[in-house]
Amino acid sequence: SQQGEEDPQALSIQEGENATMNCSYKTSINNLQWYRQNSGRGLVHLILIRSNEREKHSGRLRVTLDTSKKSSSLLITASRAADTASYFCATEAPSNTGKLIFGQGTTLQVKP
Amino acid sequence: SAVISQKPSRDICQRGTSLTIQCQVDSQVTMMFWYRQQPGQSLTLIATANQGSEATYESGFVIDKFPISRPNLTFSTLTVSNMSPEDSSIYLCSVVWHTQYFGPGTRLTVL
Repeated sequence: SQQGEEDPQALSIQEGENATMNCSYKTSINNLQWYRQNSGRGLVHLILIRSNEREKHSGRLRVTLDTSKKSSSLLITASRAADTASYFCATEAPSNTGKLIFGQGTTLQVKP
Repeated sequence: SAVISQKPSRDICQRGTSLTIQCQVDSQVTMMFWYRQQPGQSLTLIATANQGSEATYESGFVIDKFPISRPNLTFSTLTVSNMSPEDSSIYLCSVVWHTQYFGPGTRLTVL
């Protein structure tokens, strides 16, 4: 069953602006991961944040995790046209190594 | 990193037929996973393919419809049986190798 809810469902911004996507989940997690998918192709792993972490950075990406609110956010700074893609959060339960439950995804369009 | 390949990359099939999708990994991995992504939707886990034992299916998926083989630690197949248009989806295999990796997907269209 899907446990991740993401908002917004779609986001359109200008190049250079920041993009923020939010993800909420329902049950306890081992970690939360963010993925990017370009035009229905395979998924690219962006970043993983463990349940005992609150914030993580990778290049232009910043992920936060609030386990008390069961929510996470992905911030892409200084967006580029190449960032246009669908972004999904996925949670891994404490007892299910490797099994992921995906959110519905956010479609990001970055206009040049 | 782990490199995953899938065959075929896409196919168009007739209703009532079956298609077997292959997933090959360049590293030995304990667990492989099969996901389905219906048009415009997110990914849903179909099953976990374990080497040397039966696959473990998620709620809503059954072995008769999606038989899985896992003959060794680098290879798995997923068969979509007795297909209907509702099976039109992208099917992706995934492995855990320090981090999670996904194959490029197999885009299936059932007419």
